[in-house]
Amino acid sequence: DTGVSQDPRHKITKRGQNVTFRCDPISEHNRLYWYRQTLGQGPEFLTYFQNEAQLEKSRLLSDRFSAERPKGSFSTLEIQRTEQGDSAMYLCASSLGGGIEQYFGPGTRLTVT
Amino acid sequence: KQEVTQIPAALSVPEGENLVLNCSFTDSAIYNLQWFRQDPGKGLTSLLLIQSSQREQTSGRLNASLDKSSGRSTLYIAASQPGDSATYLCAVITLLNDYKLSFGAGTTVTVRA
Repeated sequence: DTGVSQDPRHKITKRGQNVTFRCDPISEHNRLYWYRQTLGQGPEFLTYFQNEAQLEKSRLLSDRFSAERPKGSFSTLEIQRTEQGDSAMYLCASSLGGGIEQYFGPGTRLTVT
Repeated sequence: KQEVTQIPAALSVPEGENLVLNCSFTDSAIYNLQWFRQDPGKGLTSLLLIQSSQREQTSGRLNASLDKSSGRSTLYIAASQPGDSATYLCAVITLLNDYKLSFGAGTTVTVRA
């Protein structure tokens, strides 16, 4: 399968714990995006990378959130000191450049108890 | 700031009826518009992408139109089936921010057998 993959698919954690999600984009895609989706809403942009450079971060991405894309391949999104309001679906997408079709992974559903 | 609105929020139709889903956006300076399908608890599946220079795209029973000047797109699904039950999301990428999809909240469709 050459699509976008995400791991884990589901994560349940207690408030205050740290969590890390991984995204593997389509191999030749130089752009990688993270979005967050809460129940009943459309996804909201969090951040994106062009190769290994993080070029834009939404104000939704508080200082508890950090994302990396070492070597321009896979990406990780870490949330420190999780809060109940962090419960959401975290979606990753990739594309071959800007302004064109983005391909989404299956998402990681985070539940903070 | 791009605002995307989808009406109606929910729709229930008997099997065989045609579906009409509406999407409007406030900033007409877009690269493209994408329609996605999302099943409960799952990621996004891209259905159709319409470039800003195009008026419509078709794939099987799906047809999407784009009127960029009025900031509107419509997704038509012909001869609906119970398997079409899902949430349908539209999203646009603006020329100013070629990295960020701006999503509507979606239309949840139920096709009754």
